[in-house]
Amino acid sequence: DAGVTQSPTHLIKTRGQQVTLRCSPKSGHDTVSWYQQALGQGPQFIFQYYEEEERQRGNFPDRFSGHQFPNYSSELNVNALLLGDSALYLCASSLVDRGRETQYFGPGTRLLVL
Amino acid sequence: KNEVEQSPQNLTAQEGEFITINCSYSVGISALHWLQQHPGGGIVSLFMLSSGKKKHGRLIATINIQEKHSSLHITASHPRDSAVYICAVFKAAGNKLTFGGGTRVLVKP
Repeated sequence: DAGVTQSPTHLIKTRGQQVTLRCSPKSGHDTVSWYQQALGQGPQFIFQYYEEEERQRGNFPDRFSGHQFPNYSSELNVNALLLGDSALYLCASSLVDRGRETQYFGPGTRLLVL
Repeated sequence: KNEVEQSPQNLTAQEGEFITINCSYSVGISALHWLQQHPGGGIVSLFMLSSGKKKHGRLIATINIQEKHSSLHITASHPRDSAVYICAVFKAAGNKLTFGGGTRVLVKP
């Protein structure tokens, strides 16, 4: 079992550009959550996808959008990048287990916006 | 005020010392995670708790639901324990984790 994988590992973009980050969940997991972690801070929830639909969303602007595919993998898209979007983007996959979700985290994609 | 607060923010210990990290939360929860994040970013889930106490190797996690408080203890600390330790909760209603700010632990040899 490969666990949660993310690509790319690192990315450099300039202001105004668009970026797509990818996540493959742990085998058997059907739910993918995305988090943004700025340097020195705890992660902040962006949104969660289940059955190819956005199930819940945090306080992020519409520039942040996502998608989940039939194989449960997911993409995070950010449009019109700002310098403040520089962060580590974490993907976590989960499976409902007896009413609780155990989340497994990927290694993250480090995005730098210049 | 953040819904999940951790203390201390930074902690330096000598190898072999006993370490305690605290987490307090102000919302109803269904479960609480303790996570470990090493330099470079990857996060590893150490424990998921909804009551009582769990132990794994030199790590012990406890939770007091009535007091809305959890602690993570590291016994016989080692330099490889140096990392950021993050407390995160699943709110009683909802499917997303809410994170504390993390505790940066440095264990010196």
